[in-house]
Amino acid sequence: GAGVSQTPSNKVTEKGKYVELRCDPISGHTALYWYRQSLGQGPEFLIYFQGTGAADDSGLPNDRFFAVRPEGSVSTLKIQRTERGDSAVYLCASSSALGTGELFFGEGSRLTVL
Amino acid sequence: QKEVEQDPGPLSVPEGAIVSLNCTYSNSAFQYFMWYRQYSRKGPELLMYTYSSGNKEDGRFTAQVDKSSKYISLFIRDSQPSDSATYLCAMSAQGGGNKLTFGTGTQLKVEL
Repeated sequence: GAGVSQTPSNKVTEKGKYVELRCDPISGHTALYWYRQSLGQGPEFLIYFQGTGAADDSGLPNDRFFAVRPEGSVSTLKIQRTERGDSAVYLCASSSALGTGELFFGEGSRLTVL
Repeated sequence: QKEVEQDPGPLSVPEGAIVSLNCTYSNSAFQYFMWYRQYSRKGPELLMYTYSSGNKEDGRFTAQVDKSSKYISLFIRDSQPSDSATYLCAMSAQGGGNKLTFGTGTQLKVEL
């Protein structure tokens, strides 16, 4: 596609529910990133994939968070037993070249946990 | 203390003013320095990218990096109302992939 596509754009859920957020990167980009942005803050790194494998998942806050990229393109961020503190905008980005910082971001999935 | 510090603003300037935005950082491993612009309810978009120290100019935008002081700046000349957005500085270390550490962002409003 022309840009990074994220679905859903908005998700409202209840505490304790399971949520999946999807990211479709720019075609041909091998690196894919998930960031989380809380209100009034900059994006915080969660995880990045090079191809199908998670190259660095050091930003995942706990074991309720998991991400997959089974075919090296689309990625899904999965959150189990959601908590109110998980409310944030989840941003996906992709890149064609490592080490240059030129990430292309989607518009994000806004998650609200009631 | 955060690795990257940025004044959140808000910063309000008249149209045509020169805007100066800056960040300080503590991690001397950072080698790549970026400025992203983020409009409300949109994803960040890359404005400027600099490797190591020095200046880079692109149209009305100039980015400066001073690694000795651990200080980076973004200057916007002849500011326009369309420049009203949040400006995020971001940094990464060599060998860290594109794993970026962001500042909190500075909210800028350019008034007519």
